[in-house]
Amino acid sequence: DIVMTQTPLSLSVTPGQPASISCKSSQSLLHSDGKTYLYWYLQKPGQPPQLLIYEVSYRFSGVPDRFSGSGSGTDFTLKISRVEAEDVGVYYCMQSIQLPSFGGGTKVEIK
Amino acid sequence: QVQLVQSGAEVKKPGASVKVSCKASGYTFTSYGISWVRQAPGQGLEWMGWISAYNGNTNYAQKLQGRVTMTTDTSTSTAYMELRSLRSDDTAVYYCARVYQRGLDVWGKGTTVTVSS
Repeated sequence: DIVMTQTPLSLSVTPGQPASISCKSSQSLLHSDGKTYLYWYLQKPGQPPQLLIYEVSYRFSGVPDRFSGSGSGTDFTLKISRVEAEDVGVYYCMQSIQLPSFGGGTKVEIK
Repeated sequence: QVQLVQSGAEVKKPGASVKVSCKASGYTFTSYGISWVRQAPGQGLEWMGWISAYNGNTNYAQKLQGRVTMTTDTSTSTAYMELRSLRSDDTAVYYCARVYQRGLDVWGKGTTVTVSS
């Protein structure tokens, strides 16, 4: 099974400042088809998760461009260029090169 | 619009079974798979399994093998997840989600399952 490790566990950010979340996988997420199956989700309080980023760096429909994803192989990063109040919640990475597994989550709150 | 509507909350005794439904609308049901993900109180997300709505093929998380069954009814565009031999640690919110390019793009609002004697 692939283990996904996120850091930090929590983040307190001043509105307008950047934020960065790391996600590391125990195995490479690069598939033989050339795609890397790494996703980012945000779960806002009291809501189901919502897809932000698919295949490392592609923003899902309607996701603001302040969100960006990068990385390769086993190391990945989600960046928020300027955090807004509506960005609070728990962020999860997920791999699906094998049976899917999620990272433990990173809680983002506003200072 | 694309949406997944899940069945209501359930309270079950240990050892019982629960069957949660997930009715899809706004898209061609058989063109996508459905995954099930659960979240225990105050905990993270746990992937449970996946079913192809096209042909009914399934993959389940190893820890749930033998206790979980996922099915679909294409005539009503509904997916089902049945979990048997319930234990207290099965208490969780259960989500269905549409599979899009191996990710999960549309999620139901969740079904709370409480296992308590």
